[in-house]
Amino acid sequence: DIQMTQSPSTLSASVGDRVTITCRASQTISTWLAWYQQKPGKAPNLLIYKASTLESGVPSRFSGSGSGTEFTLTISSLQPDDFATYYCQQYTSYPLTFGGGTKVEIK
Amino acid sequence: QVQLQQSGLGLVKPSQTLSLTCAISGDSVSSNSAAWNWIRQSPSRGLEWLGRTYYRSKWYNDYAVSVKSRITINPDTSKNQFSLQLNSVTPDDTAVYYCTRQQLGISDYWGQGTLVTVSS
Repeated sequence: DIQMTQSPSTLSASVGDRVTITCRASQTISTWLAWYQQKPGKAPNLLIYKASTLESGVPSRFSGSGSGTEFTLTISSLQPDDFATYYCQQYTSYPLTFGGGTKVEIK
Repeated sequence: QVQLQQSGLGLVKPSQTLSLTCAISGDSVSSNSAAWNWIRQSPSRGLEWLGRTYYRSKWYNDYAVSVKSRITINPDTSKNQFSLQLNSVTPDDTAVYYCTRQQLGISDYWGQGTLVTVSS
């Protein structure tokens, strides 16, 4: 199975900050990577797929980059609605696997 | 707009069978481009993909090795829904269970989630 490792596990930031989350794969996954946002008590919500393609309706302050084994999710200017937990997921092979999550907290 | 509505019991006794159903609107369980998944989430395991069913001229299933001996995912074309059965549950199966629509490996629509507790 491909292991997905996210860092940091928790991040404290303020509104307006630029935030970067890293996801590393245990083997190359090309750009077969998705990012999800999850708020408490809700299902995850797709933000980005193919490493850098924004899902329809997702604000442009979200961006993704990377290929191979290292990927980043960047929020250019953190908004109050962005305080949540973020997960990466690889889909190059089964079983699909997720990172452990990064919780973005209010500083 | 695709919607997935989950139903099923939230409390299951150890050694019994967990059963959940996911009703689909806005798409078809027999779609030739989608797959229908079950994913669970717990503090100990995080997000864990369990399996999927999909139709490509015939029905296929894929299951995670961790649950392969205990899991069945079935489509129900008459009701446009799919189900999850997980046998011989233990407290380690306690989690929030989600159904999802998957396209090319990406879960673009999710059910509301069902907290299933395994306890006597």
